Amino acid sequence: DIVMTQSPDSLAVSLGERATINCKSSQSVLYSSNNKNYLAWYQQKPGQPPKLLIYWASTRDSGVPDRFTGSGSGTDFTLTISSLQADDVAVYYCHQYYSTFRTFGQGTKVEIK
Amino acid sequence: QVQLVESGGGVVQPGRSLRLSCAASGFSFSNYGMHWVRQAPGKGLDWVAVISYDGSNKYYADSVKGRFTISRDNSKNTLYLQMNSLRAEDTAAYHCATDSIPGDVWGQGTTVTVSS
Repeated sequence: DIVMTQSPDSLAVSLGERATINCKSSQSVLYSSNNKNYLAWYQQKPGQPPKLLIYWASTRDSGVPDRFTGSGSGTDFTLTISSLQADDVAVYYCHQYYSTFRTFGQGTKVEIK
Repeated sequence: QVQLVESGGGVVQPGRSLRLSCAASGFSFSNYGMHWVRQAPGKGLDWVAVISYDGSNKYYADSVKGRFTISRDNSKNTLYLQMNSLRAEDTAAYHCATDSIPGDVWGQGTTVTVSS
């Protein structure tokens, strides 16, 4: 199975400041035939199912604010929240859909400092 | 509207069985592969199983292989998860989700508690 490892496990950021979450996969999730990274980012708030933010490593899903940016390729990826808002308090997960056997990172809890 | 609604959760003793259901509405269920993903209390997301759009292909996480069976009835727009030989570590909220990134749909989840 592809192991997804996120860092940090949690972070506290002041309102309006930048939050950066890293995700590393144990093997590449870049599919050479179409040059796409099969990597997604989800946001989960308490009592809710996960919500897709980013797919193909860097494409924002419909309606996702442009303060959320995904980057990276191969095995190393980053989710950046450029200017943290109160509504962004949540747990964020990276997720690989390269393999039929899907896996998620352990999650990063984002809080307000 | 597009919706997935899980049911069938509850409290069950170790070693017993439970069947979860996931009712789909508002989209063409038979066109989509479907996943079960679980989340233990206070923990992260844990992929459980996937089934192809027509039910011909099924894959499982090692932790549930041989104990859980995923299935679907496209005539009823419903996904199932038969869970046998349940263990304490199977305690979690179980979500169904479409196999469609982007555009995936998730249910709110149904809670399974395995306890004596």
